[in-house]
Amino acid sequence: GQNIDQPTEMTATEGAIVQINCTYQTSGFNGLFWYQQHAGEAPTFLSYNVLDGLEEKGRFSSFLSRSKGYSYLLLKELQMKDSASYLCAVREIKSGNNRKLIWGLGTSLAVNP
Amino acid sequence: DTEVTQTPKHLVMGMTNKKSLKCEQHMGHRAMYWYKQKAKKPPELMFVYSYEKLSINESVPSRFSPECPNSSLLNLHLHALQPEDSALYLCASSQDFGREYETQYFGPGTRLLVL
Repeated sequence: GQNIDQPTEMTATEGAIVQINCTYQTSGFNGLFWYQQHAGEAPTFLSYNVLDGLEEKGRFSSFLSRSKGYSYLLLKELQMKDSASYLCAVREIKSGNNRKLIWGLGTSLAVNP
Repeated sequence: DTEVTQTPKHLVMGMTNKKSLKCEQHMGHRAMYWYKQKAKKPPELMFVYSYEKLSINESVPSRFSPECPNSSLLNLHLHALQPEDSALYLCASSQDFGREYETQYFGPGTRLLVL
């Protein structure tokens, strides 16, 4: 089966650093994605991890530990525009080599001045 | 350019209407997707097209009918919808389907209200 857990809501202050965690249990792990989604808009791709370690992209970094079934998204120098929902999605290999994204419920981040 | 476009942005329809949602990408992607998203929920996969052929149908009711006229276009034909079908309908595309490192890029969505 599959299960993805991430906190429902987080609050942080402008200029600070915030870490959003994601834990997963899947039967055929094939990569983990982070997407950002502002209210009423489409998800925007942020990062992709398939090997253990840290991927850095500007103010955003994403970490993966496959043995622990764990990832986090780190946002530095927070800005008001970073207030959004952050979705963790795991790609799972299913029978017939089909690969499907399994989505977490998202973490709603509020950045306060 | 990572742009996926969708029309219309908003759609209100009655339960007896027939309407279509349109999606277009010019990134040369060979896989295209339809998702449905309810408020405060993650996207829910409906259909996947790979090389213009339907690869996945996630047991979607027949009142939703996808069509892929060519590699750049994806339509979703709607007929006899129910009020519970009101949602944000997202189109996405990726370089390929079933390969490692592929990333899905989403369009802005069509917000559908069924009365």
